[in-house]
Amino acid sequence: AQSVTQLGSHVSVSEGALVLLRCNYSSSVPPYLFWYVQYPNQGLQLLLKYTTGATLVKGINGFEAEFKKSETSFHLTKPSAHMSDAAEYFCAVSDGNQAGTALIFGKGTTLSVSS
Amino acid sequence: EAGVAQSPRYKIIEKRQSVAFWCNPISGHATLYWYQQILGQGPKLLIQFQNNGVVDDSQLPKDRFSAERLKGVDSTLKIQPAKLEDSAVYLCASSPPGTDTQYFGPGTRLTVL
Repeated sequence: AQSVTQLGSHVSVSEGALVLLRCNYSSSVPPYLFWYVQYPNQGLQLLLKYTTGATLVKGINGFEAEFKKSETSFHLTKPSAHMSDAAEYFCAVSDGNQAGTALIFGKGTTLSVSS
Repeated sequence: EAGVAQSPRYKIIEKRQSVAFWCNPISGHATLYWYQQILGQGPKLLIQFQNNGVVDDSQLPKDRFSAERLKGVDSTLKIQPAKLEDSAVYLCASSPPGTDTQYFGPGTRLTVL
């Protein structure tokens, strides 16, 4: 069975500050890991994903995440927050042995950015 | 490239009524997913199709929910009869063959009164 825990349902940062959104996963099979962003009244947009290979993954809008197997973590970071980053962020996991399996999502973290 | 289309965007019904949602995936995407997103939670899979066959419907409440994907393209999700706890956003996603990236539509927000 697989599961995802996102620590902190709300994170608030100032514009220009570091963004750190935490994600821990549980998986009995090699995981594929994803971060999605959801703006109000919109669907989910893929930020980045880890499948195999390099453990530091770069995504869109300056975000990156590092897969740490020993810590079962996949935290999302961005060096400098912009007002436009305010949204809800979801971490998700799928079965790395079977392409195309459904995603299992965390409960999400709402990011607020103040000026 | 056109994205995943869903309609309607919003729907308000009374409990015990029926409702249907429609999804048109990205052209060429063989896999289609329906997720339910309750307020304050992450999306949860309801059903997964591969072309017009069901891959996983283990979390679909089959006494009231049904879904079909005729001809392996468009899909409809139906709820009959609706309950108050069905109030949620219903997200449709699709993915190309052999990949892990899912592309999501804007969702249908259902309110059951």
